[in-house]
Amino acid sequence: DQQVKQNSPSLSVQEGRISILNCDYTNSMFDYFLWYKKYPAEGPTFLISISSIKDKNEDGRFTVFLNKSAKHLSLHIVPSQPGDSAVYFCAASIPFGNEKLTFGTGTRLTIIP
Amino acid sequence: DARVTQTPRHKVTEMGQEVTMRCQPILGHNTVFWYRQTMMQGLELLAYFRNRAPLDDSGMPKDRFSAEMPDATLATLKIQPSEPRDSAVYFCASGFDESSPLHFGNGTRLTVT
Repeated sequence: DQQVKQNSPSLSVQEGRISILNCDYTNSMFDYFLWYKKYPAEGPTFLISISSIKDKNEDGRFTVFLNKSAKHLSLHIVPSQPGDSAVYFCAASIPFGNEKLTFGTGTRLTIIP
Repeated sequence: DARVTQTPRHKVTEMGQEVTMRCQPILGHNTVFWYRQTMMQGLELLAYFRNRAPLDDSGMPKDRFSAEMPDATLATLKIQPSEPRDSAVYFCASGFDESSPLHFGNGTRLTVT
């Protein structure tokens, strides 16, 4: 039972354009959401998060949007850079915070120079 | 730059053998998590500890997996006996409070033949 779903296993985007990664969840108790980025042979690293009391959080080139009614969140990267090529994991938790993160299966983003 | 340290980085073993993976969490962190990365499930939570006490190991196959924290600087994950289906990358992560994101180690890639 996959409670956090990333339905696109891969995504290719031209350098300089916007990358949009999507994530859906089924558990309405989730109230804190995170995105992690993972390079090959390394562990995931935290990228950005959002609490359910917000619908948008921005950090430089990265913005996360949350649509609670649709149980959907997305990560926007603009402009995309070659160093953004990685696997991106969406994660969710109950309650607010980092305990017991439930992860999606990941989306491999490739930025084309 | 503090980091979570996992050993070994790679382990190849034969079916039926015991495997022990070790993790040194970041000094001062009081939560430790074990995750397994597979292609189909993404990052699955196996077990987690807070202040060295096991809080949840419902994600682990109990008959063959065990997780312990002998002290605050060491967490172990053991598989006995190992099976080919256990082949995956195992990540350890640590955190120190609910508002801070988890820090992951670089993982142990396990291959069981």
